[in-house]
Amino acid sequence: DAGVTQSPTHLIKTRGQQVTLRCSPISGHKSVSWYQQVLGQGPQFIFQYYEKEERGRGNFPDRFSARQFPNYSSELNVNALLLGDSALYLCASSLGRVASTDTQYFGPGTRLTVL
Amino acid sequence: ILNVEQSPQSLHVQEGDSTNFTCSFPSSNFYALHWYRWETAKSPEALFVMTLNGDEKKKGRISATLNTKEGYSYLYIKGSQPEDSATYLCAAPIPNSGYALNFGKGTSLLVTP
Repeated sequence: DAGVTQSPTHLIKTRGQQVTLRCSPISGHKSVSWYQQVLGQGPQFIFQYYEKEERGRGNFPDRFSARQFPNYSSELNVNALLLGDSALYLCASSLGRVASTDTQYFGPGTRLTVL
Repeated sequence: ILNVEQSPQSLHVQEGDSTNFTCSFPSSNFYALHWYRWETAKSPEALFVMTLNGDEKKKGRISATLNTKEGYSYLYIKGSQPEDSATYLCAAPIPNSGYALNFGKGTSLLVTP
């Protein structure tokens, strides 16, 4: 069975540009979450989507946005890139039960470098 | 958001050693605790989801315990092997965000032959 896939694997952008990251969840999973991980820190929650609706948002500026499509795949958009946006962006999918025990399955991440 | 802390930050042990590390979290409003293993260049892999005080879960040589009253969980690795080298993360669900996860900074384990 295919796991969570993300594209692209690596990306280099310059300050002020915009970027779109993509995620395909495990088949049958209806929820997608996005996390940002910088060196020395654990993954930090950005967004969670379920059935195309935003179910939660972390402490990130409005430059960050996301959406989920009818096939449950998702995109994360970041506008007006800053050097500090350089990070590994992880996508995770889950069944989507609103349950604290719902396991999230992670993709390999997209490494974004902002120059 | 619940403050999740992990210690130590890093650990270096010899093959065959047993080791353990700690995850601490606020004991009030506890929902669950998730443990992940994250090997370099791979995806984070779910190890355990723990919910009940006194829970103990085991997967091969790795086990975890949970104390919700005092707000901590221990992860144990018995007879460490080089393939256990990874970062071990614990996370608490965020209840008003669909139970997305709030992660600690992780414990980086290096096991040398």
